Amino acid sequence: EAQVTQNPRYLITVTGKKLTVTCSQNMNHEYMSWYRQDPGLGLRQIYYSMNVEVTDKGDVPEGYKVSRKEKRNFPLILESPSPNQTSLYFCASSPEPSGGSYEQYFGPGTRLTVT
Amino acid sequence: QKEVEQNSGPLSVPEGAIASLNCTYSDRVSQSFFWYRQYSGKSPELIMSIYSNGDKEDGRFTAQLNKASQYVSLLIRDSQPSDSATYLCALGRGSEKLVFGKGTKLTVNP
Repeated sequence: EAQVTQNPRYLITVTGKKLTVTCSQNMNHEYMSWYRQDPGLGLRQIYYSMNVEVTDKGDVPEGYKVSRKEKRNFPLILESPSPNQTSLYFCASSPEPSGGSYEQYFGPGTRLTVT
Repeated sequence: QKEVEQNSGPLSVPEGAIASLNCTYSDRVSQSFFWYRQYSGKSPELIMSIYSNGDKEDGRFTAQLNKASQYVSLLIRDSQPSDSATYLCALGRGSEKLVFGKGTKLTVNP
């Protein structure tokens, strides 16, 4: 089944404890992106990648890191999580490198709580 | 003006009626437009994409785009209770990203 997977789906952690949220897609998509969704603020892009080894900042990149060493994986790293990073996170992928102009398909989401 | 604006709703329609969802945008350069459906606590699901002026139909869904007036709409015919969700309008900004509206919550009453 063609899909985007994320792990973990739910995570409660403490301030300052490094964590990684994994994202993997099996559709051979070029473009991948991370979003966070907060009440009243909607979906906002954190980072995106148009190809392997090519990543760039979105609208809210502070406090996050990403890497794209393989086409299928795009992990999101929080080096020192803070409570303002409590949010619902979505990974998305698109078959075209110019994913911003094309359909994006979303993973199931990761609900992160930082205390 | 915000980049993508939607009426937050809630929009309530009876079962079997036509639900009309609207979205306006400020970026005249955008060429690609999308409608996503999001159930509470779930991920956005692509319903429709539209790239040129006019109407595009897919089953019970019709997307309408008017670039001159900078609006895009989604019509849902024969609305069902299972259509109750938040509908997100999105536009492509260059090749980098989608910009989302905050969504319109739709409730279809049996």
